Amino acid sequence: DIQMTQSPSSLSASVGDRVTITCRASQSISRFLHWYQQKPGKAPKLLIYSASSLRTGVPSRFSGSGSGTDFTLTISSLQPEDFATYFCQQSYSIPATFGQGTNLEIK
Amino acid sequence: QLQLQESGPGLVKPSETLSLTCTVSGGSISSSNYYWGWIRQQSPGKGLEWIGSIYYTGDTYYNPSLKSRVTISVDTSKNQFSLKLTSVTAADTAVYYCATPDASGNWFDPWGQGTLVTVSS
Repeated sequence: DIQMTQSPSSLSASVGDRVTITCRASQSISRFLHWYQQKPGKAPKLLIYSASSLRTGVPSRFSGSGSGTDFTLTISSLQPEDFATYFCQQSYSIPATFGQGTNLEIK
Repeated sequence: QLQLQESGPGLVKPSETLSLTCTVSGGSISSSNYYWGWIRQQSPGKGLEWIGSIYYTGDTYYNPSLKSRVTISVDTSKNQFSLKLTSVTAADTAVYYCATPDASGNWFDPWGQGTLVTVSS
């Protein structure tokens, strides 16, 4: 299985901050990397697919980049509704695997 | 716009079979180029585990770690797909989500709201 490692595991930030979350794959996955946001008690929601494509309806303050083994999710200016847990997921090979999550908290 | 809703028992005894159903609305489950999948989360806000997916042709893809215990099937007459997980243990306690992979089976969007299944006697 391809292991996905996110860093940091948790992050404290303030409204208006620029935040970057990193996801590293244990082997090259090209651009088969996707990002989700999950709020407590809710299902994950797709934010970014194929490393850098913004899902329709997702605010443009979210962006993704990377290829191969290293990927980043950036939130350009944190809004109150962005405090949540973020997961990356690879679909390069079966089984699809997820990162352990990054919990973004209010400072 | 597709919407998914999980249903099934919230409590299953050890060694028994976990059975869940996902009802699809806003589209036909037999439409071409659709995958249908199951994912679980064993602790709130913690790791997500892909269980498996089924293509509209009936082809199935399972996580090797669960393959010997998992069956995913489609009921086109009810616009539903289902998950069966046999010989469950406490380690199978989780929130189970149904979700729709994209046409190439890559990302999952949308997801159902999730249903908690507890394995306990």
